[in-house]
Amino acid sequence: NAGVTQTPKFQVLKTGQSMTLQCAQDMNHEYMSWYRQDPGMGLRLIHYSVGAGITDQGEVPNGYNVSRSTTEDFPLRLLSAAPSQTSVYFCASSYSVRRVAEAFFGQGTRLTVV
Amino acid sequence: AQKITQTQPGMFVQEKEAVTLDCTYDTSDQSYGLFWYKQPSSGEMIFLIYQGSYDEQNATEGRYSLNFQKARKSANLVISASQLGDSAMYFCAMREDRRWGDGSEKLVFGKGTKLTVNP
Repeated sequence: NAGVTQTPKFQVLKTGQSMTLQCAQDMNHEYMSWYRQDPGMGLRLIHYSVGAGITDQGEVPNGYNVSRSTTEDFPLRLLSAAPSQTSVYFCASSYSVRRVAEAFFGQGTRLTVV
Repeated sequence: AQKITQTQPGMFVQEKEAVTLDCTYDTSDQSYGLFWYKQPSSGEMIFLIYQGSYDEQNATEGRYSLNFQKARKSANLVISASQLGDSAMYFCAMREDRRWGDGSEKLVFGKGTKLTVNP
């Protein structure tokens, strides 16, 4: 099925470990982004990309890296996990950065850092 | 300043009744878009409805309608004939069309309203 696929769905990390959250979309969307959702905080933008090879920081980028080597994939890397990064992470994509469009979201990754 | 304000942390409604979820926004731009998303307990984000700042008619999508009052900067979601499956978190979001340095757009979300539909 077409859409945004995130893996894994659940992950437990120890403090200091690193890992990569995967995000892939098969809709040839130009714009992709990562959000984190914390209780009572809504969704906050971590990083985004307007196309292959182009990324930039959002509202809460510290502790995370991204890259966009292909249109389809937009992985999020946690460099050294901290308990404050315990959250639900959503990847989203949109048709274009310049057109009116709704964002398509992945199913989310629930990350716990102990 | 908070860009999107949802003042109702939780709302209750009887099945088959209508319910309004409040959303106010803050922007100095003339061109922007407003969105509502539903997040059921399973966790995925589901797009419901969109309203552009220049749209003259209020947006409607089936049982969902958006009561857009531009002068008051409000974009309330109205769900008619509530169903048990409507129980979920609902998020209001805004996309400002003001171009950032790289020409991109970004979504800013409110904190959400938890809707519970009672049988």
